[in-house]
Amino acid sequence: QSALTQPPSASGSPGQSVTISCTGSSSDVGGYSYVSWYQLHPGRAPKLIIYEVTKRPSGVPDRFSGSKSGNTASLTVSGLQAEDEADYYCSSYAGSNTHYVFGTGTKVTVL
Amino acid sequence: QVQLVQSGAEVKEPGASVKLSCKASGYTFTTNYVHWVRQAPGQGLDWMALIVPSDGYTIYAQSFQGRVTLTRDTSTRTVYMELSSLRSDDTAFYYCAREAGGIGAPAKRFDYWGQGTLVTVSS
Repeated sequence: QSALTQPPSASGSPGQSVTISCTGSSSDVGGYSYVSWYQLHPGRAPKLIIYEVTKRPSGVPDRFSGSKSGNTASLTVSGLQAEDEADYYCSSYAGSNTHYVFGTGTKVTVL
Repeated sequence: QVQLVQSGAEVKEPGASVKLSCKASGYTFTTNYVHWVRQAPGQGLDWMALIVPSDGYTIYAQSFQGRVTLTRDTSTRTVYMELSSLRSDDTAFYYCAREAGGIGAPAKRFDYWGQGTLVTVSS
């Protein structure tokens, strides 16, 4: 199973918005509503920030939002803050054979 | 609070095996599946396997089949991941992660993660 495709990098100034795409196939992103997004800071445990395409866990700011169209999911970070500088990975459930597939990762830089 | 605490860094020679641990606390250990995910240097995340702590049932990714073994000890609330026949490209951070939801209703998302264990494979 191939990894989901994400842009390697994205950037924005504080207060701006950045959107990250995550492209898969009908076997994963397009076939299930189980797309999640994870934030990775160096030296810290990964953090779940979006699940089931659009839902935010308790404690995650509403600056983070998710969406999906066809085989592509997206994460938007609005009102960028310095602490949002991190690596972001999407993930999708991919059925009972493959189970889970992750994206290639996007490094977000706050200018 | 839910915590997953992983064992420390390991350095192994090619061909050896490594066994990592992931100790859970703050929730009912047998309720949630535990997964292992790895990240090689400069690479993305890669799902490896899951274990159902209540009965030890395991599922392995095809790419790791035959080399990875998950076990659990319910008395110590610990999940173990053993990877054998190590190669240099197994050098990576290895994470354990809890799947949200519970027995019979896994939620297909990883809501808590361990801090990661660096495994370095080098001669």
